[in-house]
Amino acid sequence: DAGITQSPRHKVTETGTPVTLRCHQTENHRYMYWYRQDPGHGLRLIHYSYGVKDTDKGEVSDGYSVSRSKTEDFLLTLESATSSQTSVYFCASARNADTQYFGPGTRLTVL
Amino acid sequence: EDKVVQSPLSLVVHEGDTVTLNCSYEVTNFRSLLWYKQEKKAPTFLFMLTSSGIEKKSGRLSSILDKKELFSILNITATQTGDSAIYLCAVEETSGSRLTFGEGTQLTVNP
Repeated sequence: DAGITQSPRHKVTETGTPVTLRCHQTENHRYMYWYRQDPGHGLRLIHYSYGVKDTDKGEVSDGYSVSRSKTEDFLLTLESATSSQTSVYFCASARNADTQYFGPGTRLTVL
Repeated sequence: EDKVVQSPLSLVVHEGDTVTLNCSYEVTNFRSLLWYKQEKKAPTFLFMLTSSGIEKKSGRLSSILDKKELFSILNITATQTGDSAIYLCAVEETSGSRLTFGEGTQLTVNP
C-alpha cells in the first residue's frame, strides 16, 4: 500500500469557521485527489492535482479550495464550513491516473 | 457527464453463497474500469479492467468487462463474513486523470 496519511482523522467544528485537511504521501505519486463520501452518493471528487501547483475541479468543488506546493502534500480547505460539508473525506494518490491508493479518511462534523 | 451505476445497492447473503455485483457505465472515452473494496476505512484496489472478455481473478473474486454492453460484473464465490464490505466500481476516461465512482454495493455476509 502507498504511504498515505491524512490529518486530522476526526474534527468537529462550527459553521463559518475555516478548516484545512492535510494529505501526505511518501510514494512520489504525481496525482492526488480529494473525495467526499456520503450515504447515497458514493465517492465524489472534490478537487484533484496532476502535479505541483497544478490542480483542477471535480464534480463537487463549490465551497472547497486546494493547494499543492510539494509533491507529497495536498491540502483541502473549507474557507467557511457549512453543515452540508459534514462528511467523510478521503484523499488518494496515484502514480498514473488509474490505480488510486486511498488514505484512511477524515471524519468532519460541522455543527 | 460520466455516469456509473451499481446494482444492487445492498445485498445480504449467507456464508457459502455466490454473489454477482453489477456495474454499468456511460463515459465518452472509456479507458479502464476499476473495482475497489471498502471495509471500515479506506477503499482498497481489487481489479483494473481494460479489455472485453478477459477475466481477472484473485482467489474467490473474479471480474469481467463487456465494452460493447458497457458493464462489468464482480463475482465472489463461497462468500465469507470477511467479504462484508462496500464494493465500489469506477471508470476512467482516456482524456483524464480522474475516476468517476458509482454509489457502491453494500454486501453483508451472515454466518
